[in-house]
Amino acid sequence: NAGVMQNPRHLVRRRGQEARLRCSPMKGHSHVYWYRQLPEEGLKFMVYLQKENIIDESGMPKERFSAEFPKEGPSILRIQQVVRGDSAAYFCASSQISGGPDTQYFGPGTRLTVL
Amino acid sequence: AQSVTQLDSHVSVSEGTPVLLRCNYSSSYSPSLFWYVQHPNKGLQLLLKYTSAATLVKGINGFEAEFKKSETSFHLTKPSAHMSDAAEYFCVVSDLDDYKLSFGAGTTVTVRA
Repeated sequence: NAGVMQNPRHLVRRRGQEARLRCSPMKGHSHVYWYRQLPEEGLKFMVYLQKENIIDESGMPKERFSAEFPKEGPSILRIQQVVRGDSAAYFCASSQISGGPDTQYFGPGTRLTVL
Repeated sequence: AQSVTQLDSHVSVSEGTPVLLRCNYSSSYSPSLFWYVQHPNKGLQLLLKYTSAATLVKGINGFEAEFKKSETSFHLTKPSAHMSDAAEYFCVVSDLDDYKLSFGAGTTVTVRA
């Protein structure tokens, strides 16, 4: 059973470009969460999605950031017009059910570098 | 609202000696508590979790943690460190039924030969 897959693992963008990060949840998981890890900080919650629905985007910056989890295919975190402050590791997690003691399983992360 | 404080940003131990990583939490409700490990350039791996069952939780690779409600602590220990334990460790809390995990800032462990 493959774990959570994220690609690309490393992404380099110049300021003003767009970054698209992809996350495929574990088989049988329909809940996806995105977290951001800034240098020397812990992970911070960004957004929680179920298939075709954004459940909670309270941790996502209001501008330039968007996320989706379509009926078919991976979840996408999209950052438009990237700035140097967007450089971070972005982790995706998935779970079988929401909340409770069920554990979120994390992918290996995408490390975004903005030049 | 919940939060986590990891009391040490860096811990250095000799191989074969005990490891102690300290974590205090704040939570409005009965919390679920986790420890994750992150090896360099790797994803997060769950070490163990506490979800209101036994207060002493055993995890993978010889790690264990004890939930102490009176002290609001969830310290991680291992009796004998191995070189492969060198990594960053995160203490994580979520309120019961809350999907938002709150991470501590992390503790970097180095193991001396």
